Order: sequence, then C-alpha cells, then structure tokens
Amino acid sequence: GQSLEQPSEVTAVEGAIVQINCTYQTSGFYGLSWYQQHDGGAPTFLSYNGLDGLEETGRFSSFLSRSDSYGYLLLQELQMKDSASYFCAVDSNYQLIWGAGTKLIIKP
Amino acid sequence: DAGVIQSPRHEVTEMGQEVTLRCKPISGHDYLFWYRQTMMRGLELLIYFNNNVPIDDSGMPEDRFSAKMPNASFSTLKIQPSEPRDSAVYFCASRFASGGAVTGELFFGEGSRLTVL
Repeated sequence: GQSLEQPSEVTAVEGAIVQINCTYQTSGFYGLSWYQQHDGGAPTFLSYNGLDGLEETGRFSSFLSRSDSYGYLLLQELQMKDSASYFCAVDSNYQLIWGAGTKLIIKP
Repeated sequence: DAGVIQSPRHEVTEMGQEVTLRCKPISGHDYLFWYRQTMMRGLELLIYFNNNVPIDDSGMPEDRFSAKMPNASFSTLKIQPSEPRDSAVYFCASRFASGGAVTGELFFGEGSRLTVL
C-alpha cells in the first residue's frame, strides 16, 4: 500500500525552531511537497523537493532523502501565525498522496 | 490571475436532497482534483481529471457521487441523494503537470462546506 507517516501534533514556543518529519512508502515518486492549512482555510503550497537535499524559502526549509524515504519541514523563528496544520505529500504519477497532517501548536 | 473558484462556499441541505458543487480551475491547468476533508478521515482524493478526462475515480465513496468535467474551465461534483455522513469540506484543486513539469504544487479553491441534516 501507499502511506505517509507524520506526527499528529507538535508543540513549540514562539521564536523557536521546530522540525516536522515525514516518512513515506509509495509506488512512484517524483518528489515530496509540504502544505500549510490554517483552520477553516484551504491547503497552501509551501515547498517541494524533487532531489535530495535542503530547499530554503525564508523561514521555512524542507529536506529530502530519497534513499531513506524521509523528509522534514523546518520552521525557524516561529510566529503565532504559523499555528496551523502541515501536510507532507508525495507526488506520485501526477497525483499527490497525502499524510494525515501535523497540527503545530505554538505557545507564547 | 484568479485562483481556483468554487461554489457554493457553504451549503446546508436535508438528507435525500441533491447537491451540486462547482469548480473553475486555473486557466491552462490540465489536472483537476476533487478532495473531501473531515476531521475523522483527513484529506481524501475523490477523483481527478487530466485534460477533462477522468483518470482515477477509485476514491469516490459510492454511486451516489458523480463528477463531470465538460470542458477545461468547469467541473461539477454531484451527490444524489445526500446523507448526513457526506457532511465535509469539499476542495477542488488544479495544477499544470504535462511534459514532466512536476513541481508538487496544487492550487486549491477555498472549499465548499457541506452540511447534510
């Protein structure tokens, strides 16, 4: 079967750094994407890793290791507005296979 | 450029009624996806189209659900008859991915929140 595993919830302090891990097992792999979803909103694209290594976009970075079927999203200088759910998704044969999402709780 | 447009944003209906959700993808996108999201089941892919042709509808729950894409700028998801367990947020998303141009980015509409009483 196809599956993605990510923690259901992570708690961090404002201003800190948090890492959200994702492991996957899928047939067909083009890349790993990360999406953010605020309560009541739609998922919005954050980053994509098609090759191994680190991709940086402002305060957010994403990493992929294809040999380990593993990736992570790193959020730095956490702000209260980063409180949201974060989904990893594998791009497989032009459709995305989604993880269940990680709820990020940020405390002042 | 307008994003993915869905309507209605909210729908409250009674069990047994027909529900039609609508989606206008981003112009030029060749893939369109219908998702359903609930707290219990998360984000589920219902069906997706490539160049207006349904490719995979294995996620459609049952025969009460049907989806069409008559042209590149319009798609519908219909539930007939609706049941309380269909209550969820339904998202439409689109992307351009032909020719191997895969970037992982799906563009989502704001969603249609359906409540079946």
